[in-house]
Amino acid sequence: GAGVSQSPRYKVAKRGQDVALRCDPISGHVSLFWYQQALGQGPEFLTYFQNEAQLDKSGLPSDRFFAERPEGSVSTLKIQRTQQEDSAVYLCASSLPRTSSGELFFGEGSRLTVL
Amino acid sequence: KNEVEQSPQNLTAQEGEFITINCSYSVGISALHWLQQHPGGGIVSLFMLSSGKKKHGRLIATINIQEKHSSLHITASHPRDSAVYICAVRGYGNKLVFGAGTILRVKS
Repeated sequence: GAGVSQSPRYKVAKRGQDVALRCDPISGHVSLFWYQQALGQGPEFLTYFQNEAQLDKSGLPSDRFFAERPEGSVSTLKIQRTQQEDSAVYLCASSLPRTSSGELFFGEGSRLTVL
Repeated sequence: KNEVEQSPQNLTAQEGEFITINCSYSVGISALHWLQQHPGGGIVSLFMLSSGKKKHGRLIATINIQEKHSSLHITASHPRDSAVYICAVRGYGNKLVFGAGTILRVKS
């Protein structure tokens, strides 16, 4: 597709379950970002990839959160042993260049609800 | 203090009014983004600025690097402009820091 694609769009998990959220960036985009947006809040940075390299994971809230982009295209954000406070929209964005000058393209987000 | 502050938090306007949303930041940046988010929808990038002013249709964005301040203006506002407008700044490490957003409602 032409845009950033995320799946699933909606995910309901029981507390303690593991979840995996997928991001398919625009083809050829080097940079990929994950953000977490709680209800009524602005997005918060989680992690950043340049190709397959995870250059910054300072925003991951705990070691239950893990992200990968093994072939430098599709990325997966995994949350282990989900907790209620993990409920949020998880946004993925990609941009073409390696430098900090690139326009960002966002996916529609994956809304996670942990019961 | 948040690194990115937006004002106002909520804004209600009548159709046709000129609207200004402000963003102040406290860190050094390589670029500033204005984004639009509709309820339940994804985020759309409106502008990316590193200096000066940009215009796209009825939208105008300005940035003053020395004062660490940016404004988003909407001329001749319309109900379809109702959305959350988010300012985000990109530091030199490629990390985006977002403001909390401004909820805009334009009434007909």
